[in-house]
This record gives sequence, structure tokens and C-alpha cells, in this order.
Amino acid sequence: AQSVAQPEDQVNVAEGNPLTVKCTYSVSGNPYLFWYVQYPNRGLQFLLKYITGDNLVKGSYGFEAEFNKSQTSFHLKKPSALVSDSALYFCAVSPRDTGGFKTIFGAGTRLFVKA
Amino acid sequence: NAGVTQTPKFQVLKTGQSMTLQCAQDMNHNSMYWYRQDPGMGLRLIYYSASEGTTDKGEVPNGYNVSRLNKREFSLRLESAAPSQTSVYFCASLEGGANTGELFFGEGSRLTVL
Repeated sequence: AQSVAQPEDQVNVAEGNPLTVKCTYSVSGNPYLFWYVQYPNRGLQFLLKYITGDNLVKGSYGFEAEFNKSQTSFHLKKPSALVSDSALYFCAVSPRDTGGFKTIFGAGTRLFVKA
Repeated sequence: NAGVTQTPKFQVLKTGQSMTLQCAQDMNHNSMYWYRQDPGMGLRLIYYSASEGTTDKGEVPNGYNVSRLNKREFSLRLESAAPSQTSVYFCASLEGGANTGELFFGEGSRLTVL
């Protein structure tokens, strides 16, 4: 079965330190990869995506993500965390054959940035 | 820019009652989706509509029905609510092509079934 794993329920980091939120996937082919963020009582917002090309993609709010094909991973990163980055982060994968119709989401990782 | 609008934001039902969640998008997107979000389970697709006039089941369709009323509107109906349907429901629409587009989400409808 196709799946997306976010192995950490919560990530804690001090403000100003780098952060990483991990994502691995088990989806056939070369799927498209996404990160979304959810603030309290809000819907998900798109952060960034990997379609093809450079393995390091840049997105909104200073976030970036690194695609690793051999490890089937797509980790979200930021060089310097802000308290305002505290939120719930979702990794999502769209198989190339069905595309957005069957996007698979991970369970989410809560990021807590301490001042 | 309204984006994706969902109503109601909150609803409490008794077991067996019915209700419809409404969703409208003003971005001229072709495809629309209904997800449910449960703690520790991420988002699970209930139904989607690839284009006006079509609907298809997602991962967890049982107990739900949908209607794509027109290009803008996509409603989700619970005919006989059950406590297992207590959840937060999100409507979304997809920008661009099906394969590479990103989803735009509404702010959610929190449903409690007693």
C-alpha cells in the first residue's frame, strides 16, 4: 500500500536554530512531493513542492526541502527557526499516474519553536 | 480573495441526524475535494470531483454522499450521522494540472456527533 510517513509527532527547536521535519514515502514511480502547513483552527496552506530538477526546492517563509530519491525522502528544513513557525506540518505525495486526485498525506508533525 | 469557503464552521449533531456541508471556491479550479482530519491520521480523502459533473470515491467514502452542483460548489452530505464521523472536514480545490498543482483549503468544518 502507498503511504507517507512522518516519523516524529513533534519537533522542538529553539528560535534561531535550524530545523528539520522528516518525511519518507512509499509510492510507486516518481511521485510529486509537497509540504503544507496548518496553523491553529485554519486550513492547510501550501509551502513548497518538488516536481523535477534540483533536489533542493525553496518555498514560502524561508522553508526549503531536500528530495532524496534513493532514500525516498523529502525533508523540510529551515536555517533559522522563528517562534511564528510553530504549527502542524504535513508532507503530501501525489502519484504521477493519478496526480492530485489521489494525494496522500502524512499524519503530520507538530513543530514547536521556543523563544 | 475569498478562496475556498466552507459552511458551517461548527456543527453538533445527534446520531442519526443528517446534514450537508457546503463548499464554494472562487478560483475557477476544475477539481474539488473533501477530506477529513483526525488526530494522528493526517488527512483522508472522502470524495473528489475531477471536473464539473463528475464525482469519485476516495479512501473513506462510506456514510457520505457528494454533489458537484456547478464548477464553484461541492457539497458533502451525511445522511445518518454516526459518532465515528466526528471530525474536522476540509474542502479543497486544486490549482493547475492534476499532477503538479497544489491544493487550496478552506478553514474547516468541525463536526461533533453525539
